Amino acid sequence: QSALTQPRSVSGSPGQSVTISCTGTSSDVGDYNYVSWYQQHPGKAPKLMIYDVTKRPSGVPDRFSGSKSGNTASLTISGLQAEDEADYYCCSYAGSYTWLFGGGTKLTVL
Amino acid sequence: EVQLLESGGGLGQPGDSLRLSCAASGLTFSSYVMTWVRQAPGKGLEWVSGISPSGGTTYYADSVRGRFTISRDNSKNTLYLQMNSLRVDDTAVYYCAKKMGSNWNLDYWGQGTLVTVSS
Repeated sequence: QSALTQPRSVSGSPGQSVTISCTGTSSDVGDYNYVSWYQQHPGKAPKLMIYDVTKRPSGVPDRFSGSKSGNTASLTISGLQAEDEADYYCCSYAGSYTWLFGGGTKLTVL
Repeated sequence: EVQLLESGGGLGQPGDSLRLSCAASGLTFSSYVMTWVRQAPGKGLEWVSGISPSGGTTYYADSVRGRFTISRDNSKNTLYLQMNSLRVDDTAVYYCAKKMGSNWNLDYWGQGTLVTVSS
């Protein structure tokens, strides 16, 4: 049950795009199309931003998009805004009612 | 609107026991897989345990297996986590989270309850 691998931090200026990667294995990210991404502001609960690799829940701006290739999933945020500054976590279903999370990526909007 | 409200957190010593509760509203609770996820101070998210809609199937992370027990009371729309033999490294905010209906993502989360284990 090893955690998924994410970069510790990324940054970008307002209006730019950033991409956060999430690498797992053939037993989790590579085996299931149940990759999700969560945004977490300090002191708050995680908020679902992307599910099923590419889908956005109602209310999430279309500036957020997801993709997957093999054992690596990615979250892209385009048109960065100040309020996007937060921690982002990827998550993959790993079978048998278990989930794996990434270590988290701190996004800084410069 | 779906709401999940955790309670039961607090301060304990190594070896103590605590029971967390998660009260659910705005959903047909008995239809959903439920989970516990924790977050140690300044650290990332860690899945802890999951339970089937009926309560008949449970799974645990290696770090808590044999010490923690997940259960649910569908008549009370409540999820539980019995934590025994607490360790210092169990210190975390504990969130309950609900699985989406037909796919294996976690959509709704509670606000969390803090468990602190310290001597």
